[in-house]
Amino acid sequence: KNQVEQSPQSLIILEGKNCTLQCNYTVSPFSNLRWYKQDTGRGPVSLTIMTFSENTKSNGRYTATLDADTKQSSLHITASQLSDSASYICVVRGSGYALNFGKGTSLLVTP
Amino acid sequence: ETGVTQTPRHLVMGMTNKKSLKCEQHLGHNAMYWYKQSAKKPLELMFVYSLEERVENNSVPSRFSPECPNSSHLFLHLHTLQPEDSALYLCASSPLIGYEQYFGPGTRLTVT
Repeated sequence: KNQVEQSPQSLIILEGKNCTLQCNYTVSPFSNLRWYKQDTGRGPVSLTIMTFSENTKSNGRYTATLDADTKQSSLHITASQLSDSASYICVVRGSGYALNFGKGTSLLVTP
Repeated sequence: ETGVTQTPRHLVMGMTNKKSLKCEQHLGHNAMYWYKQSAKKPLELMFVYSLEERVENNSVPSRFSPECPNSSHLFLHLHTLQPEDSALYLCASSPLIGYEQYFGPGTRLTVT
């Protein structure tokens, strides 16, 4: 069964600090992996997309990594801001168009 | 804004009511999706439409009835819902089925 597991479930950090969110998946075959940010009361918004051949991709203060061999991805947030408080969802696309969603990591950045 | 709008944003309905959720995309996309998001659970795909044809009904109870009159609009008709149907209902669209999906803000549904 295709699964996407995210850790930690929730995280609290001080403003200005860095953090790393993890995503492990069993989806096979693998097409791509996206990280979404979902603010409270809003729909998810794509941060990065990574394909099999990509190891690292950055979007501002967000850097995603992918190890397709171990089926692991991480999202690193640098110099966190209060506006980074949100749920971060890892989504893996396998064959066809079906997407496999993780439960998300809830991040709270405090002053 | 992502170009996908949903109305209403919040809805409270009784178990015997009939209501409809509306989604509209202004991106010229050809595929549209309905998802259910419950607390502490991954997003659940409910329905997929491609060029106004339903291509997937993911074992959704018949009390949820989708309608796609054209490629820009998607509706979810609700009737005789259960309290466990309370959730955030998200609409998404993509240029073609399988491409990046753009999500709307969702409708927060509470069934009393």
